[in-house]
Amino acid sequence: AQKITQTQPGMFVQEKEAVTLDCTYDTSDQSYGLFWYKQPSSGEMIFLIYQGSYDEQNATEGRYSLNFQKARKSANLVISASQLGDSAMYFCAMRAMNTGFQKLVFGTGTRLLVSP
Amino acid sequence: GAVVSQHPSWVICKSGTSVKIECRSLDFQATTMFWYRQFPKQSLMLMATSNEGSKATYEQGVEKDKFLINHASLTLSTLTVTSAHPEDSSFYICSARSVDETQYFGPGTRLLVL
Repeated sequence: AQKITQTQPGMFVQEKEAVTLDCTYDTSDQSYGLFWYKQPSSGEMIFLIYQGSYDEQNATEGRYSLNFQKARKSANLVISASQLGDSAMYFCAMRAMNTGFQKLVFGTGTRLLVSP
Repeated sequence: GAVVSQHPSWVICKSGTSVKIECRSLDFQATTMFWYRQFPKQSLMLMATSNEGSKATYEQGVEKDKFLINHASLTLSTLTVTSAHPEDSSFYICSARSVDETQYFGPGTRLLVL
């Protein structure tokens, strides 16, 4: 079974500062993918970044980077130069990448509030 | 990028009625579609997975007779909440997976049962 843990229910950051959202996971699968999604108040799920378990480099997408530490089973999201529009819920998720049916399992989420 | 639409975006209904929610992949064929439910301030919980032309696979604790899923084509899946009750009020989100394994989410449907 797969499990995602997000221990920070809420985070505050000032505009233009960097923030790290924590995510740890547990899985017995050898091949898996880690995802981060942003959910603003409108409810839509916005894909931010993906990291494969065999990727040697940490994933980056613009202001988003994923600090992947495989031995520690952590996949923290780093948002650099926070903007007011970054205020939202952030969900970490994972999925097995082996053959057959794979489900996307979500963590409980972290609410990020960016202040001016 | 790929787009997944849901209709309606919100619905209010009386207790005891049935509500159908449509999920469409607009510019790609979805090999698999997923239905999630999200209560306020909580995470997304997978309800069921549907593959085109076959019966949906429901997660433990989800009543298949209550939440009917029909995956009629590679671009359309529907979720019908039968005999809805106030406790069924929630935010329902569908997701579609394309052949390259990318998973796209719809904008969600807010259901309020009075």
